[in-house]
Amino acid sequence: EVQLVQSGAEVKKPGESLKISCKGSRNAFTSYWIGWVRQMPGKGLEWMGIIYPDDSDTRYSPSFQGQVTFSADKSITTAYLQWSSLKASDTAMYYCARHTVPGTDHDAFDIWGQGTMVTVSS
Amino acid sequence: EIVLTQSPGTLSLSPGERATLSCRASQSVSSSYLAWYQQKPGQAPRLLIYGASSRATGIPDRFSGSGSGTDFTLTISRLEPEDFAVYYCQRYGGSQTFGQGTKVEIK
Repeated sequence: EVQLVQSGAEVKKPGESLKISCKGSRNAFTSYWIGWVRQMPGKGLEWMGIIYPDDSDTRYSPSFQGQVTFSADKSITTAYLQWSSLKASDTAMYYCARHTVPGTDHDAFDIWGQGTMVTVSS
Repeated sequence: EIVLTQSPGTLSLSPGERATLSCRASQSVSSSYLAWYQQKPGQAPRLLIYGASSRATGIPDRFSGSGSGTDFTLTISRLEPEDFAVYYCQRYGGSQTFGQGTKVEIK
């Protein structure tokens, strides 16, 4: 089955670091761009950016550039989203999602992870 | 940066009725790069339409997309109980963006 499985919910304090993961079945991952989408509580979807795990090429939304870092380990078909210093405003659900067509960075997301809830509170 | 504005914010309809959702872009968008998603509470979004009018795999034909330039529409021909949800449009290609969503609720 083609799927993306994300790591579990996290509760962190402001200033802490965090790295969440998104693991794909091999046929869901190889040669596809993987994106990250934020959804703050009760709000809409925000595109954070995308990464191409085959060579770790990245595209960041201007709103998230410098705030988060994407990485990937293609050998274990896993993409990561990390923060070096969390803020309360980072509290949100974070989804990874796969582009529909392999190799293109101009595409919709057809496969989504189940989401990782990140709560940042003192 | 292209901004997508969806209307109405909330649509109150009964099962069996037709739903028409609008997505307006601040600048012209290539039709190839416009998608629609459905999101139910507690679930990840699901791709419905890509390329403005192509249904994704497994999407019932009561869902249809149309439009070009700056005006796009998602139509649900006859609402089923499972269609009550929030719908988002998305412009992809380059820097991507989502609309703010339209909630379709039971009247």
